[in-house]
Amino acid sequence: GAVVSQHPSRVICKSGTSVKIECRSLDFQATTMFWYRQFPKQSLMLMATSNEGSKATYEQGVEKDKFLINHASLTLSTLTVTSAHPEDSSFYICRGGYGYTFGSGTRLTVV
Amino acid sequence: DQQVKQNSPSLSVQEGRISILNCDYTNSMFDYFLWYKKYPAEGPTFLISISSIKDKNEDGRFTVFLNKSAKHLSLHIVPSQPGDSAVYFCAASVGGSSNTGKLIFGQGTTLQVKP
Repeated sequence: GAVVSQHPSRVICKSGTSVKIECRSLDFQATTMFWYRQFPKQSLMLMATSNEGSKATYEQGVEKDKFLINHASLTLSTLTVTSAHPEDSSFYICRGGYGYTFGSGTRLTVV
Repeated sequence: DQQVKQNSPSLSVQEGRISILNCDYTNSMFDYFLWYKKYPAEGPTFLISISSIKDKNEDGRFTVFLNKSAKHLSLHIVPSQPGDSAVYFCAASVGGSSNTGKLIFGQGTTLQVKP
């Protein structure tokens, strides 16, 4: 149980464009979804917490206008990286609910 | 401020031997601790957890020890297998197992198990 499906697994985009990453809870309802980012050889850093039907909570230093989070249903949360720049290249991972299960991650490369 | 620290970036052990991965934390409010295994370009996979009311939890080849007074936990893998080679992260949270909301991760330790 507690499967989280994350798509896409990898994406390459041009600088200035926007990229949407989806996380779906397949066999449970996730009223909360946690979004993390991992730079190479570094730890997983919590970016924001999305809550179904309300605004996301962002960690200090994370630009809410750049990383748009939408949690419109109990099974889907999306992270949109707007006006992406090369420094946004990273590994983005979601975690569904208060369980221990993470999505498979999305490798974003901005060129 | 790094609240969860894994001071050894890498560890190499021989197959069949014990692997010991260490983790220290500074926040005394943490009451739930987890270990994850991660391969490159994949999400972390949950391994084992421990509540602060315990000092040991065992699951097959994996045992986690918690020393609250030292704010230290360790993961023991016995016997180590080549398939255990991965990056291991410890994580901590406040609120017990029912509210593992904000997980704070260590930097990770790369384990290599040699055949």
